[in-house]
Amino acid sequence: NAGVTQTPKFQVLKTGQSMTLQCAQDMNHEYMSWYRQDPGMGLRLIHYSVGAGITDQGEVPNGYNVSRSTTEDFPLRLLSAAPSQTSVYFCASNPQDSYLANTGELFFGEGSRLTVL
Amino acid sequence: GQSLEQPSEVTAVEGAIVQINCTYQTSGFYGLSWYQQHDGGAPTFLSYNGLDGLEETGRFSSFLSRSDSYGYLLLQELQMKDSASYFCAVIWTSGSARQLTFGSGTQLTVLP
Repeated sequence: NAGVTQTPKFQVLKTGQSMTLQCAQDMNHEYMSWYRQDPGMGLRLIHYSVGAGITDQGEVPNGYNVSRSTTEDFPLRLLSAAPSQTSVYFCASNPQDSYLANTGELFFGEGSRLTVL
Repeated sequence: GQSLEQPSEVTAVEGAIVQINCTYQTSGFYGLSWYQQHDGGAPTFLSYNGLDGLEETGRFSSFLSRSDSYGYLLLQELQMKDSASYFCAVIWTSGSARQLTFGSGTQLTVLP
């Protein structure tokens, strides 16, 4: 059971380039989310999804797009990379929205480390 | 918005007990979670309090007081491997879905 898989693990971009961070889970989880973590800071929510075809913005959505065409996949797109988007990105999931309220538990991927020059 | 406060650093010796406090200001509050993160790796879930009181999981315990908007994580019999960052996180509702918002984290250093 692979859990939450993120690719790539490392990426270097130039300012203005676009790219997609991939996130896949094999646990049939309905709820998926993307966080970014900057040095010395907690994780900040970018976008989340409560099921296929449903997405919503989190705390810091500007500069990022998401889509959820399948239950398994939740890609994060950087439209025009900026140095301020240099960060570690974590994808997380849980079985469903009510599970989060009842258990407070998210299952995290290993992270994708992005540097924008 | 959501606001959480926790100490940035805590140091303790092996075998000791340490308490990491967390205060929050949250609308639509559901509960308080705690996560551990080693050296920038994946955060891992430790504990959750949906109701007031103490939850115990092995050497770790967590406490919540909704009336005081306050919680803490208690780590007993500290081991070197407990050196890590610890994050409190509030679960709250925004519209129709729940969200999880993290504090800035507490770096715990365990000394021999």
